[in-house]
Amino acid sequence: QVQLVQSGAEVKKPGASVKVSCKASGYTFTSFDINWVRQAPGQGLEWMGWMDPNNGYTGYAQQFQGRVTMTRNTSISTAYLELSSLRSEDTAVFYCARVPKGRNWFYPWGQGTQVTVSS
Amino acid sequence: QSALTQPASVSGSLGQSITISCTGTSSDVGGYNYVSWYQQHPGKAPKLMIFDVSHRPSGVSNRFSGSKSGNTASLTISGLQTEDEADYYCSSYRTSSTKVFGTGTKVTVL
Repeated sequence: QVQLVQSGAEVKKPGASVKVSCKASGYTFTSFDINWVRQAPGQGLEWMGWMDPNNGYTGYAQQFQGRVTMTRNTSISTAYLELSSLRSEDTAVFYCARVPKGRNWFYPWGQGTQVTVSS
Repeated sequence: QSALTQPASVSGSLGQSITISCTGTSSDVGGYNYVSWYQQHPGKAPKLMIFDVSHRPSGVSNRFSGSKSGNTASLTISGLQTEDEADYYCSSYRTSSTKVFGTGTKVTVL
C-alpha cells in the first residue's frame, strides 16, 4: 500500500538545523510531488512547500524562504526537509504528504516528526 | 501569507447535519477548483476527506460532501456521529504554485 514513513523525534538547540526524512513506498516516487506541513502545538496546519522528486524542483512558502531546503534521494525513494536557524517557535510536528503534480490534495500523510527546539 | 478563514468551532447533535465554511479570495478558493478537506483527530495525522471541491476518496463515508460558491468552500457532514468529532481543515491551491490551509474548525458532537 502507498505509505510515507518519517524519521524519529528530534531535540535541537536554538540556532541549529534539523533534517527530517520521509521514505515513500508502494508507488513510483518520482510520479508525485512531496509537500511538507508544519503544525505547532495546539495550532493549525501550515504549508511549508513542495518538491518534485523527478527533477528536484522546489517551491517554498514565503515565510520559510531562506531557512528551508527540500531535497531527495531517488535511489532510496526518500525526501528530506531541512530547516535552519531554529527558534523556539519552530517547535512543532512536521508532516510530509504525497500530492499529485499540479493538484492540491494531500494523500497519504506521513506519521509526523516531532521537532523540539529548546536550550 | 494569510490562512483561509474557517469558524473556530461548530457543534451539532447526533444525527444532525453541520456545515463548515472556508473563505478565501479570488487568488485561491475562488480562482481554482482545487479545494480539499482534512479531518484530524488528536495526536493523529490529517486524513483526506474531500478533494477537488466535491470529490470523495474511496473509503470516505458519503455523509461527507463538499461544495463551493465564489470565494467560499463548504464541507457538510450529515447524520453526525460521535467519531466525526475532530478538527477539520480546508486547503486550496493559491497563485504562484503555492498552497494554503484554513485556520481549522473544531467539530463537537453534542
